[in-house]
Amino acid sequence: AQTVTQSQPEMSVQEAETVTLSCTYDTSESNYYLFWYKQPPSRQMILVIRQEAYKQQNATENRFSVNFQKAAKSFSLKISDSQLGDTAMYFCAFMKQDGQNFVFGPGTRLSVLP
Amino acid sequence: NAGVMQNPRHLVRRRGQEARLRCSPMKGHSHVYWYRQLPEEGLKFMVYLQKENIIDESGMPKERFSAEFPKEGPSILRIQQVVRGDSAAYFCASSSDRNYGYTFGSGTRLTVV
Repeated sequence: AQTVTQSQPEMSVQEAETVTLSCTYDTSESNYYLFWYKQPPSRQMILVIRQEAYKQQNATENRFSVNFQKAAKSFSLKISDSQLGDTAMYFCAFMKQDGQNFVFGPGTRLSVLP
Repeated sequence: NAGVMQNPRHLVRRRGQEARLRCSPMKGHSHVYWYRQLPEEGLKFMVYLQKENIIDESGMPKERFSAEFPKEGPSILRIQQVVRGDSAAYFCASSSDRNYGYTFGSGTRLTVV
């Protein structure tokens, strides 16, 4: 079975600065997908970024980028130029290539301070 | 396209009552997934359905919980004889193809009193 670990229950960052959220996972699969989801107080689950395990290049989406280390089974999220609207819970998630459901980590609560 | 619609947004039930949670997938999506989020935890997979079929219910408790996705109408997650431990946010997601283009609804927060 796959597991996803997020070792930072809470983090804070000053507006305009950079913050990195950690995620590690455990799997015996060789092909899979990794995701970061954002959950603001509205409870909506919003996809931030997605990474295919067979791709060596790290995914980026505007201010969001990942550091994917397949051998170490690590998938950290870097948020640059943090904005107040980035305040939310962030969940790391795993999905097998032939799977249909996510395995989520416990989340990291990020607060962006003015 | 209205997205994945879940209702009600909040539901309060007394212990022993039944809870029915509804999910209308995005237009054109035939795959529906239900997840449960306990307070201060991540989402946990419950069940995966396609029209009229349960494909994977490995995350669903064996008793009191059931799900359906009829040919017409929304998907329903039904919890019979609710207990305090059922209090959680229940999320539905839909996709047009397995593991691609997942879209989540805003969830139903169930409170059992």
